Amino acid sequence: GESVGLHLPTLSVQEGDNSIINCAYSNSASDYFIWYKQESGKGPQFIIDIRSNMDKRQGQRVTVLLNKTVKHLSLQIAATQPGDSAVYFCAENPWGSQGNLIFGKGTKLSVKP
Amino acid sequence: GAVVSQHPSRVICKSGTSVKIECRSLDFQATTMFWYRQFPKKSLMLMATSNEGSKATYEQGVEKDKFLINHASLTLSTLTVTSAHPEDSSFYICSATDRGNSPLHFGNGTRLTVT
Repeated sequence: GESVGLHLPTLSVQEGDNSIINCAYSNSASDYFIWYKQESGKGPQFIIDIRSNMDKRQGQRVTVLLNKTVKHLSLQIAATQPGDSAVYFCAENPWGSQGNLIFGKGTKLSVKP
Repeated sequence: GAVVSQHPSRVICKSGTSVKIECRSLDFQATTMFWYRQFPKKSLMLMATSNEGSKATYEQGVEKDKFLINHASLTLSTLTVTSAHPEDSSFYICSATDRGNSPLHFGNGTRLTVT
């Protein structure tokens, strides 16, 4: 079936290094993608989104890259900080309307001081 | 920014009882709210879509008589877990959006434990 998955379930980085979290999606109809950060015991927090007519979008310390050819999405975090430690989920919307997101499995990012 | 408030954050109940979880959009009107369930170290699974003034749309495999959803206003949706069983223990999260095709804003979830 169609799904969103992640290449790496866990990622450990040194404080100050850059982090790259990857995500593969299989639904070619998806036109909207979001990265969420979820801290323990909390709901997902929006980080950044990107639409299929773009291949790169930058935010504060974060960059999302979209490669529609290989159906790949990545989240880059610059100068990773201990506060970035969390589980990161990518989500796709193949229906072109609000809501009804399909979430990937999540990657746990651990930042070592 | 848009804020979604969920209450309670934690609840413990006995088997056979019912539990109501509230989801409120605090500074925007949400015609649609979504209810997710999350097991430990797992991803979010959509349970149902809650539409203001109409019946909720449930995902395949989700019992509508078990998980009652009411979306009575543009700022409030409730999820009632009826006749709770231990296997209903989970993290329930609601979300809403304040405009079409925009990122969902999530509540902080409700940890339900059924004893």
